[in-house]
Amino acid sequence: QVQLVQSGAEVKKPGASVKVSCKASGYTFTGYYMHWVRQAPGQGLEWMGWINPNSGGTNYAQKFQGRVTMTRDTSISTAYMELSRLRSDDTAVYYCAREGTVGATRGVPKYWGQGTLVTVSS
Amino acid sequence: QSALTQPASVSGSPGQSITISCTGTSSDVGGYNYVSWYQQHPGKAPKLMIYDVSNRPSGVSNRFSGSKSGNTASLTISGLQAEDEADYYCSSYTSSSHVVFGGGTKLTVL
Repeated sequence: QVQLVQSGAEVKKPGASVKVSCKASGYTFTGYYMHWVRQAPGQGLEWMGWINPNSGGTNYAQKFQGRVTMTRDTSISTAYMELSRLRSDDTAVYYCAREGTVGATRGVPKYWGQGTLVTVSS
Repeated sequence: QSALTQPASVSGSPGQSITISCTGTSSDVGGYNYVSWYQQHPGKAPKLMIYDVSNRPSGVSNRFSGSKSGNTASLTISGLQAEDEADYYCSSYTSSSHVVFGGGTKLTVL
């Protein structure tokens, strides 16, 4: 069965960076795009971007361009999302979510990790 | 990319049916049959309920159905049950190969 296990909660100061990991199991890691989605406290879902684990290609939401970097390590079936120059309004639960379509994206984050709470506070 | 438009809240009694709308543009909802719906209970990760406008993943109750007309997609839940009380989000693929979510709808089962 598909499983996505994310790294633990983080507390960061404004201006710092955070790197969240997402370890995949139960399927061929390079066969499916990985999305990253965040949710601020009491707010809705916000798509951040995706990475193609096969090629390493990425596509980021315009809002995060220049601040977000998505990478992967195929040897350990793990995707990463790094967000830099953190602000207080980056406080949120960050989710990785595997695409439902093999080898491409139709914009369907199907299987979700448990979420990682990132708190930005001075 | 602006968020898709959903009503903030809907409600219904057990056994009734409710419909949640999701309005976008021709660059997202209207341009592709790649609309999805997610259910989220408090403190939990979202769960995919509908994909490609009207398809249900394995294990999702057939009380959940989806449709689309023009730039507006809809989720209908029939035979409302207490456990359906949750937040619901629509999403769509976009012309930039991005994903855009709706603002979310809180469903209350009276």
